[in-house]
Amino acid sequence: DQQVKQNSPSLSVQEGRISILNCDYTNSMFDYFLWYKKYPAEGPTFLISISSIKDKNEDGRFTVFLNKSAKHLSLHIVPSQPGDSAVYFCAARDGGSNYKLTFGKGTLLTVNP
Amino acid sequence: GAGVSQTPSNKVTEKGKYVELRCDPISGHTALYWYRQSLGQGPEFLIYFQGTGAADDSGLPNDRFFAVRPEGSVSTLKIQRTERGDSAVYLCASSPTTGGNGYTFGSGTRLTVV
Repeated sequence: DQQVKQNSPSLSVQEGRISILNCDYTNSMFDYFLWYKKYPAEGPTFLISISSIKDKNEDGRFTVFLNKSAKHLSLHIVPSQPGDSAVYFCAARDGGSNYKLTFGKGTLLTVNP
Repeated sequence: GAGVSQTPSNKVTEKGKYVELRCDPISGHTALYWYRQSLGQGPEFLIYFQGTGAADDSGLPNDRFFAVRPEGSVSTLKIQRTERGDSAVYLCASSPTTGGNGYTFGSGTRLTVV
């Protein structure tokens, strides 16, 4: 049973446009959410996070939105750049464990020049 | 070192053999984590160390898997009697304390069991 779902395996956008990556979760105990970016042959790197007490967190070109009632979060990248092309993983942590992350399957983002 | 180092980067082994995967965390990081990423999946939690002790090994799939961190720094993931289903990328991460955003992942060891 997948507790964190990224239903789009891939997404292609034009350079300069907005990229929107989506993530849904089922576990109501999740209280902290993170996005990781992964290039081939490298480990995931932390991008941005959001606590369940907030509905938005912004860091430069990256904004994460959280809709708790819908158990949905999204990552917006504006403007998208070719260097953003990577696999993006959504991850969640539950309040009972501040170390264990549950990841989605990832979305491959391709930003075309 | 500057980052989390994992060796080897690639390992091919025959079914039934024993393998050891090594993780050198960032110096001073007390927390260390192992995850496994199978093809087409996201990373899945295996085990978490706080210092020398395994604080949570609930993600280890069965008793063929074991991990140690004897001096609170380097960790070794050991897999006995490997099976083809063990083929995956094994990721190690460390953090200065438990939780937060401080996870730093290594590049992983790609294990292929033939």
